[in-house]
Amino acid sequence: LAKTTQPISMDSYEGQEVNITCSHNNIATNDYITWYQQFPSQGPRFIIQGYKTKVTNEVASLFIPADRKSSTLSLPRVSLSDTAVYYCLVGDKGFNKFYFGSGTKLNVKP
Amino acid sequence: KAGVTQTPRYLIKTRGQQVTLSCSPISGHRSVSWYQQTPGQGLQFLFEYFSETQRNKGNFPGRFSGRQFSNSRSEMNVSTLELGDSALYLCASSLIAGDRKEQYFGPGTRLTVT
Repeated sequence: LAKTTQPISMDSYEGQEVNITCSHNNIATNDYITWYQQFPSQGPRFIIQGYKTKVTNEVASLFIPADRKSSTLSLPRVSLSDTAVYYCLVGDKGFNKFYFGSGTKLNVKP
Repeated sequence: KAGVTQTPRYLIKTRGQQVTLSCSPISGHRSVSWYQQTPGQGLQFLFEYFSETQRNKGNFPGRFSGRQFSNSRSEMNVSTLELGDSALYLCASSLIAGDRKEQYFGPGTRLTVT
């Protein structure tokens, strides 16, 4: 079962690009990497999912190196509304076994 | 389309009591998963139900149980409550079992055990 490690918190300023890294040294061949965003008093919300190399959608990019032992969530030009906790999740395709990281609290300052 | 709803939103119980939490998934979703969220442990997976069958279970004691009804609504029960059970309990629904991408979370039930 892949355990994940993330920084506890990060600070950024509006307009900057933010990169949050998640370590998952024991990731298995069938594991996918998923990132969620959570605002206070709300449930987590899906951001992006990937298996290898790079994935991009309208809100973020996910970079996964060849050894897949880490992944980086990249948020371009953050705004105050991006202040939230970001969770990294690793699990097999059916997510029969998966593990949520402890989350990274991102604080975006004006 | 209405989102995932959870009732009650807040609950206060005393040690030793039992509690039942309810989750109504998005219409058409047949998979319901339950999570516990605490400041110390973060998000932890409890169990997942699909078509009234438990298909996946996390590492929680037997005091935590659940069930799913034919209309996909799900309930979670915690017996013999302990102080450490104080947490935000989140329910999530998805169309396909095990789908962590198209998984939608409810607002949660905040349980406080005194």
